[in-house]
Amino acid sequence: AAGVIQSPRHLIKEKRETATLKCYPIPRHDTVYWYQQGPGQDPQFLISFYEKMQSDKGSIPDRFSAQQFSDYHSELNMSSLELGDSALYFCASSFLPGTGSSEQYFGPGTRLTVT
Amino acid sequence: AQTVTQSQPEMSVQEAETVTLSCTYDTSESDYYLFWYKQPPSRQMILVIRQEAYKQQNATENRFSVNFQKAAKSFSLKISDSQLGDAAMYFCALRVQGAQKLVFGQGTRLTINP
Repeated sequence: AAGVIQSPRHLIKEKRETATLKCYPIPRHDTVYWYQQGPGQDPQFLISFYEKMQSDKGSIPDRFSAQQFSDYHSELNMSSLELGDSALYFCASSFLPGTGSSEQYFGPGTRLTVT
Repeated sequence: AQTVTQSQPEMSVQEAETVTLSCTYDTSESDYYLFWYKQPPSRQMILVIRQEAYKQQNATENRFSVNFQKAAKSFSLKISDSQLGDAAMYFCALRVQGAQKLVFGQGTRLTINP
């Protein structure tokens, strides 16, 4: 079965640079979620999109922005990168969010290292 | 606000034995869903099992089962016949009906001893 695809898998950036992470949801899934997992921490919800509209927002810094495109893929844009942004960034997708159990299926993550 | 607490940072079990991972949560909502995710060394987040709060019957998936105590707000995971491939970090997570985000616990690192 097709899974969530994230690219790149690894990314190294310097402080104050920008980064763009991409997420391709499971086919027919209409919702994408972004999570940030710092070293030794649990995943923290950043933001979600349903049918190309922002549907929920968590602890996402103002330096970050995201969007979902017409083909349902999503991009997380991160500017003015800081050392503390080094983390594993997960994208997840689901169908019909907020209804039923609507499990979120996670991608393999993008490991961002800021030096 | 919702919170999820996993009080066991680490657990270990002998191969083929049974182990139970604990999770408690807090929410004022009456309709919600609980999940256990597994994160092996590859760091992939894998859904293990889910439980709807309105269901009294505990969920079961092969060797994995839960003990859902709604009044106590407890949601433990039992792994029977532990296998080496079960070694991973296990996260308990909560999502309330109508909300998007999963709220995760701190995780429990499970080691399987051969």
